[in-house]
Amino acid sequence: DAGVTQSPTHLIKTRGQHVTLRCSPISGHKSVSWYQQVLGQGPQFIFQYYEKEERGRGNFPDRFSARQFPNYSSELNVNALLLGDSALYLCASSLAYSYEQYFGPGTRLTVT
Amino acid sequence: GQNIDQPTEMTATEGAIVQINCTYQTSGFNGLFWYQQHAGEAPTFLSYNVLDGLEEKGRFSSFLSRSKGYSYLLLKELQMKDSASYLCAVRQSGGYQKVTFGIGTKLQVIP
Repeated sequence: DAGVTQSPTHLIKTRGQHVTLRCSPISGHKSVSWYQQVLGQGPQFIFQYYEKEERGRGNFPDRFSARQFPNYSSELNVNALLLGDSALYLCASSLAYSYEQYFGPGTRLTVT
Repeated sequence: GQNIDQPTEMTATEGAIVQINCTYQTSGFNGLFWYQQHAGEAPTFLSYNVLDGLEEKGRFSSFLSRSKGYSYLLLKELQMKDSASYLCAVRQSGGYQKVTFGIGTKLQVIP
């Protein structure tokens, strides 16, 4: 079975730009969560979606938004990029929101 | 809010046993995860404990005590490839889901 997939793998953007990151969960999984991981830190929770509804939100500004589609894939959008947004963005999927979650390979975002 | 503490670094010898501790404080608890993360890679799921007790999966075991806000990951018969960061994460209970990760414990396995 295919695992969690994310695209793109790497991305370079300029300050002030907008970015969209994509995630496809494991087949049958209905919950997707997004995390930001900066070097030397553990992942920081951004959002969780289950059945296309937001079920959790971390302490991130409104520049960060997400949505989940009917096929359970998800997008993370970040507006007005700042240098501090440079990080590894991880997507994790689970059967439902109280089950174990599995991570995708991540998208490495660099903001210059 | 949530607070998770785990040692920053540990060193152990190949073939030995190592225990990585994690303590947490949370307003509502709905499970604790352990992940392994090699440098530059995504975290790999190791275990998920919801109830008290020990769960064993091959060379890896995870223990949880909800009353003490304490968990540990036990790695047996250490191999060089076990050198990685080990992340402890707690899921908050309630309809609004949030998972908080610790900073991770960087384990170095030496010959």
